Amino acid sequence: SQTIHQWPATLVQPVGSPLSLECTVEGTSNPNLYWYRQAAGRGLQLLFYSVGIGQISSEVPQNLSASRPQDRQFILSSKKLLLSDSGFYLCAWDTNYGYTFGSGTRLTVV
Amino acid sequence: AQSVAQPEDQVNVAEGNPLTVKCTYSVSGNPYLFWYVQYPNRGLQFLLKYITGDNLVKGSYGFEAEFNKSQTSFHLKKPSALVSDSALYFCAVRDSGGYNKLIFGAGTRLAVHP
Repeated sequence: SQTIHQWPATLVQPVGSPLSLECTVEGTSNPNLYWYRQAAGRGLQLLFYSVGIGQISSEVPQNLSASRPQDRQFILSSKKLLLSDSGFYLCAWDTNYGYTFGSGTRLTVV
Repeated sequence: AQSVAQPEDQVNVAEGNPLTVKCTYSVSGNPYLFWYVQYPNRGLQFLLKYITGDNLVKGSYGFEAEFNKSQTSFHLKKPSALVSDSALYFCAVRDSGGYNKLIFGAGTRLAVHP
């Protein structure tokens, strides 16, 4: 079956610390993958998308980066977190009929 | 530029009454439209989509949406609301620029009161 996994579910990190959020999909190959951020429980902002291994496109300039080391793995990273990086991060996979979303990571930078 | 607007921050409805959550869009070409629902601290769940065909689209949990090309709208509806329908609802449109990116509205919080 086709599923998407995202972890961790919650994370509290101090300002200036690194970040690594991971997303993996199962049951498909060569998926389009996306990272979104949701601030204050409302709108979603597309951060990055990837159409294949090593192919990353950034939608907005920011303190974050993304990588796709394997076909079904998508990683969101930061070298030094800022307070403004707090939010709810969602990974999504394009199934060609719409998106399937991961369960999200609540990141709080303190 | 493509965009999606959800003009209402919140919609309040009594249980058993019909509900409507509004969405309007602006795209070049034929629109691919979607509705998603989000419960607290969860990812978004797919409700329904319009790609082509009948203007009335039926989806999960008794929801439906009506595509209106002349009014560029895609309102979400349900004949009889349940308290468990209370959640955050997002309308989205596929970006015609490629890569199947979705552009989301700001979301509408639906509160169904017993």
